[in-house]
Amino acid sequence: NAGVTQTPKFQVLKTGQSMTLQCAQDMNHNSMYWYRQDPGMGLRLIYYSASEGTTDKGEVPNGYNVSRLNKREFSLRLESAAPSQTSVYFCASSGLDRGTGANVLTFGAGSRLTVL
Amino acid sequence: AQRVTQPEKLLSVFKGAPVELKCNYSYSGSPELFWYVQYSRQRLQLLLRHISRESIKGFTADLNKGETSFHLKKPFAQEEDSAMYYCALSGVTSGSRLTFGEGTQLTVNP
Repeated sequence: NAGVTQTPKFQVLKTGQSMTLQCAQDMNHNSMYWYRQDPGMGLRLIYYSASEGTTDKGEVPNGYNVSRLNKREFSLRLESAAPSQTSVYFCASSGLDRGTGANVLTFGAGSRLTVL
Repeated sequence: AQRVTQPEKLLSVFKGAPVELKCNYSYSGSPELFWYVQYSRQRLQLLLRHISRESIKGFTADLNKGETSFHLKKPFAQEEDSAMYYCALSGVTSGSRLTFGEGTQLTVNP
């Protein structure tokens, strides 16, 4: 049971280049998310998908696009990378804990992106 | 709007000392509060949630609606508790989305 898998783990880009971060989960969760983690700013939501076929903007969506390809996969694309997008990106999925009814996030291992 | 504030970016204690990581929130309604932890070179993981009223790895957290706080406490810190801790909130209006605080880096010295 892999949980949430995201690729690549590391990437260096030049300003203006494009790339896609891939994320897949095998827990049959409906909701998936992309966060970025920056020192002193915590985790900020970029985009999320409440269910297959839907996507919505989070707190910091500018410069990003997403695709919910199917229930398992949720990709994040940077069309024209900027140095301000240097960060660690986390994909997550969530499902209801049957015991408590609480919605619990499961995170991927993170992707460290550097834009020069 | 919902907001989570962790006033301490860095917290350093000695092994065996009590530790309290502060979390304050703003939300108009009944929130669900969580603590997530990220150990060195590991992925973020759920530590505990207020709805379960549980103690995990010796940590507890009580939701104080009057003070809008959800502080994380442990009476005797251990070196293996050194990690980044994030307080997070979700509410009815945000659905399954979590709003995270800025994080507190806890270091437990020997």
